[in-house]
Amino acid sequence: KNEVEQSPQNLTAQEGEFITINCSYSVGISALHWLQQHPGGGIVSLFMLSSGKKKHGRLIATINIQEKHSSLHITASHPRDSAVYICAVRWGVVETSGSRLTFGEGTQLTVNP
Amino acid sequence: KAGVTQTPRYLIKTRGQQVTLSCSPISGHRSVSWYQQTPGQGLQFLFEYFSETQRNKGNFPGRFSGRQFSNSRSEMNVSTLELGDSALYLCASSFGVTYFQETQYFGPGTRLLVL
Repeated sequence: KNEVEQSPQNLTAQEGEFITINCSYSVGISALHWLQQHPGGGIVSLFMLSSGKKKHGRLIATINIQEKHSSLHITASHPRDSAVYICAVRWGVVETSGSRLTFGEGTQLTVNP
Repeated sequence: KAGVTQTPRYLIKTRGQQVTLSCSPISGHRSVSWYQQTPGQGLQFLFEYFSETQRNKGNFPGRFSGRQFSNSRSEMNVSTLELGDSALYLCASSFGVTYFQETQYFGPGTRLLVL
């Protein structure tokens, strides 16, 4: 069983629509990351969350630690938002060793004009 | 500030060979992590280095190894290449050790094809 589950796997939207991508995880975590990967492979870190909500432009990320769930919202979606969005959880809190990221399978978002 | 750079960007090798990939972190960053991305397994954590010490290692065989130099540049090596090692290899850097919840900055990746 994957420790990080994303839904949906694929999402097609019309320009201007409100988009939600969900991420559920099964382990106790220290932080959750949302990443964006464009064709060609480059990855950009969008958010890092350990509680509550963060907003950057049209992107909003929320996390509910008790329910082990996070959502990424895109308001007024645009074709340039088309990319793969990946949820990753950071776990492992041993001070003398590192922690690690476990990734979801990603959500392929296509926004049509 | 220059971003994370990885060399080479593309590489073709044959089974049984070995390969060394290089990552130069953002200036001032001391932590470098490596990841493998394949269509079947998605993104997987390989290892993390901080101040020349390996801090954590993912679930990969011993053929995968790495090191970090005093200038924070890092290399990873894969020996006795297998077809399944064909993947995009990404490195990411951060200022501190990642359990301090540092944001990671990803390089463009090295795309390795094993024939």
